[in-house]
Amino acid sequence: DVKVTQSSRYLVKRTGEKVFLECVQDMDHENMFWYRQDPGLGLRLIYFSYDVKMKEKGDIPEGYSVSREKKERFSLILESASTNQTSMYLCASTDTATGNTIYFGEGSWLTVV
Amino acid sequence: GQNIDQPTEMTATEGAIVQINCTYQTSGFNGLFWYQQHAGEAPTFLSYNVLDGLEEKGRFSSFLSRSKGYSYLLLKELQMKDSASYLCAVRDQRGYSTLTFGKGTMLLVSP
Repeated sequence: DVKVTQSSRYLVKRTGEKVFLECVQDMDHENMFWYRQDPGLGLRLIYFSYDVKMKEKGDIPEGYSVSREKKERFSLILESASTNQTSMYLCASTDTATGNTIYFGEGSWLTVV
Repeated sequence: GQNIDQPTEMTATEGAIVQINCTYQTSGFNGLFWYQQHAGEAPTFLSYNVLDGLEEKGRFSSFLSRSKGYSYLLLKELQMKDSASYLCAVRDQRGYSTLTFGKGTMLLVSP
């Protein structure tokens, strides 16, 4: 079974802290994604990556950056956390060949106080 | 721009049939997905349509009309465990399987 693992399920951080959310997939997928999910707004794409060291902005990249140093790992970085970044963050991956099945991680619940 | 609309909430009774509609207006179209998401969990894949018509998979079916920008998810023989949020998502012209999601439809199945 494909596994997308998000290392932290629940985090509480203070305003202004730097926050790292880690995601690892074990299926050698080229494409990886970070979404955030908020009530009434649905899932929104923050950043995605289609190869090592490659990254593209999604629909709401402001306040975030990403890192893809290894194919299996895609990190989301909040340089200076703010309360409006309190959300559930979902990592996903898929391969280029099929791309029709996109696998999601379990989600990381981030609260910024 | 991207716009995907689906009803916010629906209720149905165990054993019944329910249809969840989704309309979309997106920059390009490269397939439509339906996901199920239980509270506090990750979305799980239900179906994928890229051509017009009906795709059936067990109790779940999904229909697509590209000319109308319309899809629906049909759930038959509803069970209590089908209570969940159902997400409609479109793969657009950006490629790399990036998806634009609707806000989701919360389905409550009652006994």
